[in-house]
Amino acid sequence: DGGITQSPKYLFRKEGQNVTLSCEQNLNHDAMYWYRQDPGQGLRLIYYSQIVNDFQKGDIAEGYSVSREKKESFPLTVTSAQKNPTAFYLCASSDRGRVETQYFGPGTRLLVL
Amino acid sequence: GIQVEQSPPDLILQEGANSTLRCNFSDSVNNLQWFHQNPWGQLINLFYIPSGTKQNGRLSATTVATERYSLLYISSSQTTDSGVYFCAVGGNSGGSNYKLTFGKGTLLTVNP
Repeated sequence: DGGITQSPKYLFRKEGQNVTLSCEQNLNHDAMYWYRQDPGQGLRLIYYSQIVNDFQKGDIAEGYSVSREKKESFPLTVTSAQKNPTAFYLCASSDRGRVETQYFGPGTRLLVL
Repeated sequence: GIQVEQSPPDLILQEGANSTLRCNFSDSVNNLQWFHQNPWGQLINLFYIPSGTKQNGRLSATTVATERYSLLYISSSQTTDSGVYFCAVGGNSGGSNYKLTFGKGTLLTVNP
């Protein structure tokens, strides 16, 4: 079955700790995205990548980092510089240049201890 | 940037009722989509509708781009329709094919 997997489903972070969220897709999509969702809010774009080894900042990139070494994978690191990381994180992928074909993963809930 | 406003913020229906959700946006767009997020967080693309009208079963959507609004109609609602409905738009400026701006959503609860 084609789709997007995100792991873990729940993640706990201690103060000052970096954590990495995994996102893998087997849809053969060139583009991948990371969004953040806070309670009662819409999704906000953190980073996106249209092709391997290239990525751009979205609206709220501060405190986050990404890599795109493989077409199938787009991991997101939440660094200690992100002062309010508690949120629901969604990964998506699409055909390159066609955001309307976005397909979303099931999400990761990050909580700060 | 583009502003997206959705109304109502919350809606409670009895099973079988019809409803209309609205999305207003502040600038011209080349992409408008409606999404449904179920109670477990999974987001599903319902419609890609930058203009015109589309229907899919009990759901239909209409976008009037010149007046900068879109409507999502849900007929004969079912409990499985519960969740949050998001409108998201992509603008006409450079790089817009890669970015969606989301509204805050309408939380729909359908009671049996």
